[in-house]
This record gives sequence, structure tokens and C-alpha cells, in this order.
Amino acid sequence: GAVVSQHPSRVICKSGTSVKIECRSLDFQATTMFWYRQFPKQSLMLMATSNEGSKATYEQGVEKDKFLINHASLTLSTLTVTSAHPEDSSFYICSAEGSRGQREQYFGPGTRLTVT
Amino acid sequence: AQSVAQPEDQVNVAEGNPLTVKCTYSVSGNPYLFWYVQYPNRGLQFLLKYITGDNLVKGSYGFEAEFNKSQTSFHLKKPSALVSDSALYFCAVRDRAGANNLFFGTGTRLTVIP
Repeated sequence: GAVVSQHPSRVICKSGTSVKIECRSLDFQATTMFWYRQFPKQSLMLMATSNEGSKATYEQGVEKDKFLINHASLTLSTLTVTSAHPEDSSFYICSAEGSRGQREQYFGPGTRLTVT
Repeated sequence: AQSVAQPEDQVNVAEGNPLTVKCTYSVSGNPYLFWYVQYPNRGLQFLLKYITGDNLVKGSYGFEAEFNKSQTSFHLKKPSALVSDSALYFCAVRDRAGANNLFFGTGTRLTVIP
């Protein structure tokens, strides 16, 4: 149980285009999902917290107009990187926390974004 | 403010020997503590957690961790290392009374030498 999927696993896009990454909880309902960014050989940095049916809460320094987050259902959150630039190239990981008060987060496999 | 320190970037251990990956934390209240493992180009896999109760927590793949409140530590241990344990390990903390997001340490790369 507690499986989280991400799609796509890898994406290459041209500078200036937008990319959407999906995060799904496959076997549980996730009231809260989190989006992280990981640079090579570094830890995960929380970008935003997404609650189903409400606006996402962004961490300081994260541009909400650039990284659009939608949590339309209890099993799906999406991150859209708008007008992507090469410096947005990174490994993006989502996680989900179950609605039963589970304290741990379950992580997706990540999406490698490369902006050329 | 919450923070997590993993003082070792790299830990090397011979196969069959015990391993320890260190973690210390700082929170304003009582912590929830977690260990995750990451394999190359993969997301994080949950290993174990301390919420309440026994200070010694047992998790997946034979790993365990001991919560030490006085030393604010939550070191990850395994009695006998396997080559397949080689990976990147992250310690994370969450303040019970605060927001539900996790704060991660910088990670420790464990290499088990055959």
C-alpha cells in the first residue's frame, strides 16, 4: 500500500515552454501533497504544500506564478513549470500524506526535468 | 525553527559489519523523526519513523534507529550491512505542533564494500 506515482519520469523541453508533472496517490487518499526539488548531490528542498481543494502554500523564495500547483482531487496534484528556463532543470519529487493521520510521507519516484 | 544535521557526507563500511548513519535534530517542540533511503534517480523510500513510545524503532530491511531525547539524536543502525544497502540516506524531522512538512538533512551516502 501507500504507492505514489509521478508522470512523466523524464522530460526534456525547450526554454520558454511549460511542463506539467502529475503526482498520484494510487491506493490511498491524500489530503496533503508536497512538492520538492532536489539538485544534484543535495537534499530535498520543499517548494510547496498542496491541500486538496485549496490554494497551495509556497515556501519562501518559490515563485508561485512560475510553479503552478493544482490539487483538484484527493489522489492527484499537478505541478506546472511555466516558461521554463535552463536553471529550472532539476529533479522534482512529490510526496503524499494520507488522510488517516499517517505521519510519514510517501514519495513518488521523481521527475527529471531538463530545459534546453 | 526545525533543522536536521547529518554530519557525515559519506560512510563506508565492510559487508557484514554493523553500520551507523548519524542524525541530530532541532525542533521547538517534540519531534516526529523519519529515515528515508534514496537509490539513484529514484524517489525516497520510507524506512522507519519515531512518533512516540519505545525509543528503539525497527523498520524496513533490518534497519533500526534509536531516539535519544537528551542528545537530540536519531541515528540509523543495522547490525550487518549488505552491499545492496549502498544508497543515499536522509533523516527528516517534523515538529508535532507545527506544520506537517518535513525538514530533511543533507543526506549521507552509504557505501558497503564487498
